[in-house]
Amino acid sequence: AQSVSQHNHHVILSEAASLELGCNYSYGGTVNLFWYVQYPGQHLQLLLKYFSGDPLVKGIKGFEAEFIKSKFSFNLRKPSVQWSDTAEYFCAGTGGSQGNLIFGKGTKLSVKP
Amino acid sequence: GAGVSQSPSNKVTEKGKDVELRCDPISGHTALYWYRQSLGQGLEFLIYFQGNSAPDKSGLPSDRFSAERTGGSVSTLTIQRTQQEDSAVYLCASSLTPGAETQYFGPGTRLLVL
Repeated sequence: AQSVSQHNHHVILSEAASLELGCNYSYGGTVNLFWYVQYPGQHLQLLLKYFSGDPLVKGIKGFEAEFIKSKFSFNLRKPSVQWSDTAEYFCAGTGGSQGNLIFGKGTKLSVKP
Repeated sequence: GAGVSQSPSNKVTEKGKDVELRCDPISGHTALYWYRQSLGQGLEFLIYFQGNSAPDKSGLPSDRFSAERTGGSVSTLTIQRTQQEDSAVYLCASSLTPGAETQYFGPGTRLLVL
């Protein structure tokens, strides 16, 4: 079955620490991958996406992700987090039969000021 | 409007009542998706519309759930005889075309069934 998995349920970091959130997918065919963020009380927003081409994609607010096909991974990174990055982060892929997104369970990031 | 809108933002209902949730997609977006976000289940896909047509309804959790879309725009998700396990945030997303396009999400409707 197609799936997207996120390894970390809750990550706690201090400001200025580096961030890497893991995401693995398990489905074949064309791979389109996304990272969405949900700030407290707000709706899901797109951080970045990978469709094809350069496997290192840059998104908003200094986030980037690298698609590594051999590892079936699409990890999210940020060199230096801020308190305002406190949110829940969702990895997703278009592996659904109807073009729907398949989401990971999400990773809650708490950044201590 | 500029984004996907949903109404109501919050709905509290009694077990056994019917509820109707509304989604207004981004103008011109032909694909519309409903998802449900609940504790322990994460984000699960419910149903997809291409235009006014929903080719596959197997993602709906039970036959108490139904959805329609009219005029290629507004969609309503109806839950009949609500149960406590229906409590969740119901999210709507739209994209320009189905498949690989980016999906844009609305703020969701938080449903609480007492």
